[in-house]
Amino acid sequence: KQEVTQIPAALSVPEGENLVLNCSFTDSAIYNLQWFRQDPGKGLTSLLLIQSSQREQTSGRLNASLDKSSGRSTLYIAASQPGDSATYLCAAGGYQKVTFGTGTKLQVIP
Amino acid sequence: NAGVMQNPRHLVRRRGQEARLRCSPMKGHSHVYWYRQLPEEGLKFMVYLQKENIIDESGMPKERFSAEFPKEGPSILRIQQVVRGDSAAYFCASSPVPREGFLGNNEQFFGPGTRLTVL
Repeated sequence: KQEVTQIPAALSVPEGENLVLNCSFTDSAIYNLQWFRQDPGKGLTSLLLIQSSQREQTSGRLNASLDKSSGRSTLYIAASQPGDSATYLCAAGGYQKVTFGTGTKLQVIP
Repeated sequence: NAGVMQNPRHLVRRRGQEARLRCSPMKGHSHVYWYRQLPEEGLKFMVYLQKENIIDESGMPKERFSAEFPKEGPSILRIQQVVRGDSAAYFCASSPVPREGFLGNNEQFFGPGTRLTVL
């Protein structure tokens, strides 16, 4: 059974700082790893999807990496902004099923 | 191309009533997934459906919950005789038919969710 863990559970940083969010998964037999953003009371916004054959994906100030062998993924956010404040979820895509982590709640302080 | 649509966005029910949540997948998508997010918890997989077929319902509670995805119309998540513990956000996601030779699952696109409150 796949288990996905995200550390830290909460993070508070000053504006402008670079930061890393961590995601680990127990079953390395995944097809992809997806990072989402969720604002309070809102739905999910897909940020980046890394297929199992890839090592990383980049979009703007975001960079996500995937190391299947060690069961880890990281989301790097450069030059953080107050608008980045949200909960970030990683999701491990297995066969016909996606398992979510419990998220990292990020607060960027102006 | 409209995204995944869910309605209603907010639903209030009294204990014992029925709740029906609807999900219209993105155009061209034939796979639908339902997830539940309890307060202060992560998203939990509930069920995976294709048209007229339940593929995986391992995350569905054994009683009171059912899901369908008919040939025509939206996917429906039905909760009978709701209890306070059913209060949660219910998210639907859709994905396209896998490309020929593509082994794995496709990116899932999520709807805005339905927030169910049971009084």
